[in-house]
Amino acid sequence: QKEVEQDPGPLSVPEGAIVSLNCTYSNSAFQYFMWYRQYSRKGPELLMYTYSSGNKEDGRFTAQVDKSSKYISLFIRDSQPSDSATYLCASSSGGSYIPTFGRGTSLIVHP
Amino acid sequence: GAVVSQHPSRVICKSGTSVKIECRSLDFQATTMFWYRQFPKQSLMLMATSNEGSKATYEQGVEKDKFLINHASLTLSTLTVTSAHPEDSSFYICSATNNPGRDYGYTFGSGTRLTVV
Repeated sequence: QKEVEQDPGPLSVPEGAIVSLNCTYSNSAFQYFMWYRQYSRKGPELLMYTYSSGNKEDGRFTAQVDKSSKYISLFIRDSQPSDSATYLCASSSGGSYIPTFGRGTSLIVHP
Repeated sequence: GAVVSQHPSRVICKSGTSVKIECRSLDFQATTMFWYRQFPKQSLMLMATSNEGSKATYEQGVEKDKFLINHASLTLSTLTVTSAHPEDSSFYICSATNNPGRDYGYTFGSGTRLTVV
């Protein structure tokens, strides 16, 4: 079992839809949770990070962590075609600062 | 914000030759750089961690003699794929940080698409 599991998709939604992207993880030591966006043939860019459980909002993006169920979510409101990309979740523990990545979910927002 | 430049963005080489990929931190001093490999629709797989002025730490299963990493300055790390073979074709990405104790927010380069023919 991989430490961070993520459905690769693709997930196709119409413009304006609310998008829900999810990951599960198995390592109880993970405390830091990140979401990266990766456009085709580019390196990942950090979207959001959270520490421990809870929600964090940044504009149209909301990150949610439920440590009791080891579930990580990213919500995108009012999705735009420019949001079309691969979204990678990542987690790390307090002892090891190197993140473990999920395989990414491909999101397609069509006009 | 922090910027990491990676070159080349794409390279095609013949089997048996060596290829060097550069990773530069443009506006900060990167005490630690990471090298990843990514296959299509797969997650980023950490290959090695390099700290300026010291030998790189390779992940299990990564051949250190095949993937030579040099981090000679605080702004430059290089990955050399030696005697490349078609199975080495992949997307290679570096990331850098000036605060390795921080558990988030590493800056990534734009990646290098290596094709070995």
